[in-house]
Amino acid sequence: DTEVTQTPKHLVMGMTNKKSLKCEQHMGHRAMYWYKQKAKKPPELMFVYSYEKLSINESVPSRFSPECPNSSLLNLHLHALQPEDSALYLCASSRGEGNEQFFGPGTRLTVL
Amino acid sequence: GEDVEQSLFLSVREGDSSVINCTYTDSSSTYLYWYKQEPGAGLQLLTYIFSNMDMKQDQRLTVLLNKKDKHLSLRIADTQTGDSAIYFCAEAYNQGGKLIFGQGTELSVKP
Repeated sequence: DTEVTQTPKHLVMGMTNKKSLKCEQHMGHRAMYWYKQKAKKPPELMFVYSYEKLSINESVPSRFSPECPNSSLLNLHLHALQPEDSALYLCASSRGEGNEQFFGPGTRLTVL
Repeated sequence: GEDVEQSLFLSVREGDSSVINCTYTDSSSTYLYWYKQEPGAGLQLLTYIFSNMDMKQDQRLTVLLNKKDKHLSLRIADTQTGDSAIYFCAEAYNQGGKLIFGQGTELSVKP
């Protein structure tokens, strides 16, 4: 298995909802990442997990809460989001922090 | 601070070569990457080059690195309509897990 999978593909939520994005890889990678991407813009790094520990938090608002339950899974818990949080959320993984990153297809999030 | 710059648009005819350019600022970067993103999709890693190399070729793709000028280019030979996409160059900031992306070059291939 040489891919990163993400669910759901699309998500529409209200500002009071709680939802979660999921990311999975079975390549034995020990670093996993969350990025946010607005249309026609480059991805912006949100979080990095290395060996299941949070390594980088790019000053992301607390309404985004990452979780790494094991080396294959990465979640992003969402609560009380704002319409400006609508974006494509991309997950990536790499052998280790600093190695080439492989991206999933993303979750298209719309906040109403 | 770290910065990566690319031109925003490139239009070529099918069968021609495309050259996408990128400049970066972090001289400590060990790896430089090229990613391709088709509409509505995630990023696909196309190729990467280690900073001690000048050139890397992989089928239709040729990467050139001028470390002195901090200039990176991606040449696509025999460009096809399926190559139409946004191409991002990226450097690994401070040799760690943070990638610094350019703004992306939108490649349009006309039949």
